[in-house]
Amino acid sequence: DSGVTQTPKHLITATGQRVTLRCSPRSGDLSVYWYQQSLDQGLQFLIQYYNGEERAKGNILERFSAQQFPDLHSELNLSSLELGDSALYFCASSVGASTYNSPLHFGNGTRLTVT
Amino acid sequence: AQSVTQLDSQVPVFEEAPVELRCNYSSSVSVYLFWYVQYPNQGLQLLLKYLSGSTLVKGINGFEAEFNKSQTSFHLRKPSVHISDTAEYFCAVTDNDYKLSFGAGTTVTVRA
Repeated sequence: DSGVTQTPKHLITATGQRVTLRCSPRSGDLSVYWYQQSLDQGLQFLIQYYNGEERAKGNILERFSAQQFPDLHSELNLSSLELGDSALYFCASSVGASTYNSPLHFGNGTRLTVT
Repeated sequence: AQSVTQLDSQVPVFEEAPVELRCNYSSSVSVYLFWYVQYPNQGLQLLLKYLSGSTLVKGINGFEAEFNKSQTSFHLRKPSVHISDTAEYFCAVTDNDYKLSFGAGTTVTVRA
C-alpha cells in the first residue's frame, strides 16, 4: 500500500459530461502529480501541485483542470469528455517538489470509461 | 527535453532464468534515472533509482540496473526471476525538471 488514495476506482460516463477525480496524498507529502495512462499514449504527465500551488504543467488539455486544497488533497476535473479521454488516471505524491530527489508514490488509479 | 525509449515491449521468460530490460534515454543535460514496476491493477512502485555515484544501482526484489553514460542506457537486470515478477516495467528520466518522463513500458511474463 503506497498510502496514496484515489477515488473512485472506476467511473463510467457519457461524452460531453464532466467528472471529478480525487486524490489524497501520503501523510506528509506536499507534492501531488497527475498522470494519464492510455494504451496509445502510455504514461503522460499532466500536472503537478506543490503545497497548494501549481508547480509544473505537462500535456494537460484545456478541458482538464486541477487544484490542490489546503488539506493537500487534490482533484482533477475533466469536462466535455470525449471517447479518447478513456484512460487510467494516476495520482502520485512525494515529499518535495523535485522528482529526482523525492520519489513518487502512486495510487492505484481511477479507470475512466467514456461511452 | 528528455525522453526514454524502452527497446522491448514484451519479454517472456522462464522462471529462474535471468532477464534484462533495455532502456535508452536522450537528454541534453545530466539526468536522473528510475525504474518503476506496475503489478496488475495497481499503481507504479519504485524499483530503483540512479542519481549519482556508482553506476551499478541495486533495488528491491533482487533487481539491479547499470547506468552507462556513453551509451545513454540504463538497463534493468535480475539474475533469476520468479512468477511474482510478472508485471509491467517502466523506465523514467528527469533532468532536474519537475517532470518525470516515462518510457512505453515492458511487459514481463514469467512462465513456469
